[in-house]
Amino acid sequence: DGGITQSPKYLFRKEGQNVTLSCEQNLNHDAMYWYRQDPGQGLRLIYYSQIVNDFQKGDIAEGYSVSREKKESFPLTVTSAQKNPTAFYLCASEDRVGDTQYFGPGTRLTVL
Amino acid sequence: GQSLEQPSEVTAVEGAIVQINCTYQTSGFYGLSWYQQHDGGAPTFLSYNGLDGLEETGRFSSFLSRSDSYGYLLLQELQMKDSASYFCAVGGNTGRRALTFGSGTRLQVQP
Repeated sequence: DGGITQSPKYLFRKEGQNVTLSCEQNLNHDAMYWYRQDPGQGLRLIYYSQIVNDFQKGDIAEGYSVSREKKESFPLTVTSAQKNPTAFYLCASEDRVGDTQYFGPGTRLTVL
Repeated sequence: GQSLEQPSEVTAVEGAIVQINCTYQTSGFYGLSWYQQHDGGAPTFLSYNGLDGLEETGRFSSFLSRSDSYGYLLLQELQMKDSASYFCAVGGNTGRRALTFGSGTRLQVQP
């Protein structure tokens, strides 16, 4: 089955630690995205990548980093520089036809 | 930049029809999308309008008027399972294809 997977589903981090969230897709999509969602809020764009080995900052990139070494993978690192990282993180990939984005199940990050 | 406005909450009864409006401000527009998100879940794509007019997909329809920077999602024959948050999203800011999402409309369907 084609789709997007994210791991882990729940992640707990101590203050000062970096953590990496995994996102993998087998839909053969070129574009991939990372969003952050806070309770009762919409999705805010962190980083996006339109093609392998290239990525761009979104609206709230500070304290985050990404890489895109493979078409299938777009990991997100939440660094210690991110002051308020507790949130629901969603990864998506895009089908260019109709601008449809397909989302993974998300990772809920909690900073202790 | 881009911004979208949609109502924060809507309540309706089973079997009814509900309309969720979305107005947007954007530089460089190429489409309005709608996504559904159940509590704790991931957003799922519902509909996309690239041109003015109505798009129908089963019980759901979406409308776009580019001249008014306005669109809506119409849900018919409401079911309890339609209780969720609904987000409108626009793409097309100059040099960037990524979507900008509205803050979402929480729909509560009552028996």
